[in-house]
Amino acid sequence: EPEVTQTPSHQVTQMGQEVILRCVPISNHLYFYWYRQILGQKVEFLVSFYNNEISEKSEIFDDQFSVERPDGSNFTLKIRSTKLEDSAMYFCASGAGTTSYNEQFFGPGTRLTVL
Amino acid sequence: RKEVEQDPGPFNVPEGATVAFNCTYSNSASQSFFWYRQDCRKEPKLLMSVYSSGNEDGRFTAQLNRASQYISLLIRDSKLSDSATYLCVFNSGGYQKVTFGIGTKLQVIP
Repeated sequence: EPEVTQTPSHQVTQMGQEVILRCVPISNHLYFYWYRQILGQKVEFLVSFYNNEISEKSEIFDDQFSVERPDGSNFTLKIRSTKLEDSAMYFCASGAGTTSYNEQFFGPGTRLTVL
Repeated sequence: RKEVEQDPGPFNVPEGATVAFNCTYSNSASQSFFWYRQDCRKEPKLLMSVYSSGNEDGRFTAQLNRASQYISLLIRDSKLSDSATYLCVFNSGGYQKVTFGIGTKLQVIP
């Protein structure tokens, strides 16, 4: 069964450093998303991406964040200058866009720890 | 009122029991509804979409009540492996973001 993959599984970085989180969505999917979950809290939407551009973003997704689909398979989230409060689990998700329900399928996540 | 409200639990039930969770939502424009399950420190996994007429998948039954703006999940004959957090999720149509509830924690006890 096809699945979303993410690398790395755990990233430790110093405050102020740049990080890039990588995702390979399910191959025939058209819609891509990043969510995050701070420990003990609910999953929060960051950004959605379709047809090579951002279609929606949340208040969390400020100028420090960017997304890119550099080739036909990878989907990346970059945080330019990490803050302590960026420590969270980051989930990538993809959706086929073939049903009105738009089921989204999540990758295993990258645990980001900012020291 | 919060966008989506769930009782965080925990619900501790014996194996074989039937358990039900509700989730209320405030946005009447919400169109698609889902139940996901999340194991500790893992990703949300789609359990089932919730259709207007209600739907069943094995031991799991999902219902939608648009008039009262809630969805429900019924689990029959609980198994130890059902222990997880059950997330109520919805979107407002199309291919937009989905919004998550805080989740209801279920612990099935031998």
